[in-house]
Amino acid sequence: DAGVTQSPTHLIKTRGQQVTLRCSPKSGHDTVSWYQQALGQGPQFIFQYYEEEERQRGNFPDRFSGHQFPNYSSELNVNALLLGDSALYLCASSLVLSGGTRAYEQYFGPGTRLTVT
Amino acid sequence: SQQGEEDPQALSIQEGENATMNCSYKTSINNLQWYRQNSGRGLVHLILIRSNEREKHSGRLRVTLDTSKKSSSLLITASRAADTASYFCATDAYRIQGAQKLVFGQGTRLTINP
Repeated sequence: DAGVTQSPTHLIKTRGQQVTLRCSPKSGHDTVSWYQQALGQGPQFIFQYYEEEERQRGNFPDRFSGHQFPNYSSELNVNALLLGDSALYLCASSLVLSGGTRAYEQYFGPGTRLTVT
Repeated sequence: SQQGEEDPQALSIQEGENATMNCSYKTSINNLQWYRQNSGRGLVHLILIRSNEREKHSGRLRVTLDTSKKSSSLLITASRAADTASYFCATDAYRIQGAQKLVFGQGTRLTINP
């Protein structure tokens, strides 16, 4: 049973550039959430995708955008990178149960370490 | 901004001792979850406690929840070196159209000394 996978593992970008991070959810999961974790801090919610739509968004600027594909995989795009965007980006997947309720537990991938210089 | 605050920020104990971490939060919740993170990698779900529950056990883990004080504690009994990690509480405050937003605290860094 494949868990959540993320690519790439590490990435180094320059200020002003754009970056795309990728996530494949756990097998059978249909919802993907993205989190940003700065060094020494807890993860902060960026947004959540379900049925190819953004369903919920955290307090992040429009430079952060995403997409979910029909196979439930997802991308996180960050434009005009700032030094402060350096962080570990985590993807988590979850599942909508029969009857439309959502399972509470989220399964996290190993993360992508983004360094902006 | 973080909703939860873990206490202490760092904890160092001897192998075999018990470790207790506390979490406080600010708003009403549907449930509270605890996660473990090893060396800046992905988070692993440990245990979930619903807002109408007061205590829950899972193996060597015991979680309590006091909604009147907006606080939770995680107890790890008979600690092992493999328990060395950062521990985070996360609250699930609301659902809008099936969406879910976990709000994490800043974490407790636990070190188990052999």
